[in-house]
Amino acid sequence: KAGVTQTPRYLIKTRGQQVTLSCSPISGHRSVSWYQQTPGQGLQFLFEYFSETQRNKGNFPGRFSGRQFSNSRSEMNVSTLELGDSALYLCASSQGQGATYEQYFGPGTRLTVT
Amino acid sequence: TQLLEQSPQFLSIQEGENLTVYCNSSSVFSSLQWYRQEPGEGPVLLVTVVTGGEVKKLKRLTFQFGDARKDSSLHITAAQPGDTGLYLCAAIRSYNTDKLIFGTGTRLQVFP
Repeated sequence: KAGVTQTPRYLIKTRGQQVTLSCSPISGHRSVSWYQQTPGQGLQFLFEYFSETQRNKGNFPGRFSGRQFSNSRSEMNVSTLELGDSALYLCASSQGQGATYEQYFGPGTRLTVT
Repeated sequence: TQLLEQSPQFLSIQEGENLTVYCNSSSVFSSLQWYRQEPGEGPVLLVTVVTGGEVKKLKRLTFQFGDARKDSSLHITAAQPGDTGLYLCAAIRSYNTDKLIFGTGTRLQVFP
């Protein structure tokens, strides 16, 4: 069974631009969660989607948004990029909704904002 | 303020040594997980502990959940270079909030 895939793996953007990251979950998994990982703040939860609905959200500004498609693939969008948005963005998929189900992480997208 | 504090932040040891990593909080958690993350990859789940006082063993790794469900420890016996990585604890505060809160991380380097 293929693991979680994320594209692109690396991205360089300029302040003020927007970016869209993509995540393909493990086949059969209906939940996708997104996390931001930085050296200073560690790994922080962004949001979770289950069956195309956002069911949980972390403490991030509205510039961070996401969506999930009927095939469970998910995208995350960050608008008006700031230098502080530079981070590794990880997505994780699981069979059920909520953190009690084992989450399988992808390799991440490394975003650099200049 | 981090909800889950891990110590030590960095650990550099020789192959064959033993080590313990701690994960502490002032909050009570319904369950706690430990992950290992290697460079260029996402975290991989090692174990989930649910019951206060619970001890789980995974080969040379021993995980313990505190009696009050506020802290946890990970002990590695006879560390090997393959144990090198970032160790993260993560907890669920309650099944109502139902999202993972990650610890600050412990970066382990095991030299041959």
